[in-house]
Amino acid sequence: AQSVTQLDSHVSVSEGTPVLLRCNYSSSYSPSLFWYVQHPNKGLQLLLKYTSAATLVKGINGFEAEFKKSETSFHLTKPSAHMSDAAEYFCVVSPNTGTASKLTFGTGTRLQVTL
Amino acid sequence: KAGVTQTPRYLIKTRGQQVTLSCSPISGHRSVSWYQQTPGQGLQFLFEYFSETQRNKGNFPGRFSGRQFSNSRSEMNVSTLELGDSALYLCASSGRQLTDTQYFGPGTRLTVL
Repeated sequence: AQSVTQLDSHVSVSEGTPVLLRCNYSSSYSPSLFWYVQHPNKGLQLLLKYTSAATLVKGINGFEAEFKKSETSFHLTKPSAHMSDAAEYFCVVSPNTGTASKLTFGTGTRLQVTL
Repeated sequence: KAGVTQTPRYLIKTRGQQVTLSCSPISGHRSVSWYQQTPGQGLQFLFEYFSETQRNKGNFPGRFSGRQFSNSRSEMNVSTLELGDSALYLCASSGRQLTDTQYFGPGTRLTVL
């Protein structure tokens, strides 16, 4: 079975400062990992995905994540936060290598961006 | 290309009733997955349909069912509604490969009174 743990339920940063959203995973297999973002009253949008290629994954809107097998982590970062980044972020794992269906979601991290 | 569409966007039902939600995938996508999102349980996988067949299933009771039509559109049905079924129901579509990225619709907000 696979699972993800998002270590912070809420993160607050000032605009222009770096963002770090932490995620640890557990999987019996070499996993596929994703970060999705959900803005209020909107659906989920894929930020980036890791599927056993490069360990540093670049996504949309300046976000990136690094897969660290030794630490079982997949933290999401962005060098400089923007007000429009305020949203709920979900770390997600799929059950088998390269599989994108039957996703398991973390509990989410709410990112607040202040002036 | 149009995204995933879900109808209706909002629904209010009473306990004991049944409800049907609809999802139209992105053109060309043949896989449709359904998820339930609640404040208490978070996002949970319900089931996935591919080419009119259920390919994967989550851990939900039999009151939750679905189907997929030949045009890949999918419906989800919940019978004998309970208060705990109040949730945002999200649909996601993807291509034929299990490795394809899932694209989500805006969801249907179901309130059970």
